[in-house]
Amino acid sequence: EADIYQTPRYLVIGTGKKITLECSQTMGHDKMYWYQQDPGMELHLIHYSYGVNSTEKGDLSSESTVSRIRTEHFPLTLESARPSHTSQYLCASSDWDRKNTEAFFGQGTRLTVV
Amino acid sequence: LAKTTQPISMDSYEGQEVNITCSHNNIATNDYITWYQQFPSQGPRFIIQGYKTKVTNEVASLFIPADRKSSTLSLPRVSLSDTAVYYCLVGESGGYQKVTFGTGTKLQVIP
Repeated sequence: EADIYQTPRYLVIGTGKKITLECSQTMGHDKMYWYQQDPGMELHLIHYSYGVNSTEKGDLSSESTVSRIRTEHFPLTLESARPSHTSQYLCASSDWDRKNTEAFFGQGTRLTVV
Repeated sequence: LAKTTQPISMDSYEGQEVNITCSHNNIATNDYITWYQQFPSQGPRFIIQGYKTKVTNEVASLFIPADRKSSTLSLPRVSLSDTAVYYCLVGESGGYQKVTFGTGTKLQVIP
């Protein structure tokens, strides 16, 4: 079993609120990722990190921000939630390199902004 | 970046072997090919990875021809629980930092 955890699993929040989605892994992986996925649609990479104090934006533009102060922790923050942010957010980690391409995913956070 | 192309959807009856082919014409010399499975409301799960020829594990087989411009994921005797979306990924050259998923193939197993 993968040791990567996301909290909360479900979140319903009002427009304009600030939220932080938590993601932690205990595998010591350097690389961590955030994806956004609407029901029945493809995964979109929104942020990734290849180590402490490194963060990059992914392929899909997002109003969220991330930080990587510790190897095991990669939180995602929305300063002012809007209904358009309603989606599922998936966190992943890996030791991805040329020969090891297995990423481990958390259970996801389903966010609803009303 | 090696772009991948897969069929959008496939149907199969229970007990049949299912083959899902992925095209990756621009694959780089050092790139590996990886397949993931995703059930609804869950994160993707690694299935298999390969570089060339054939790789087999307890879940699936992966066939890669000599030119490596395509790969085929083979699922033996599928069951209803194999209904999922299957993604083909090719590692990015120059760092492999990003893990980018395409549209995937939605497999529906029919009783």
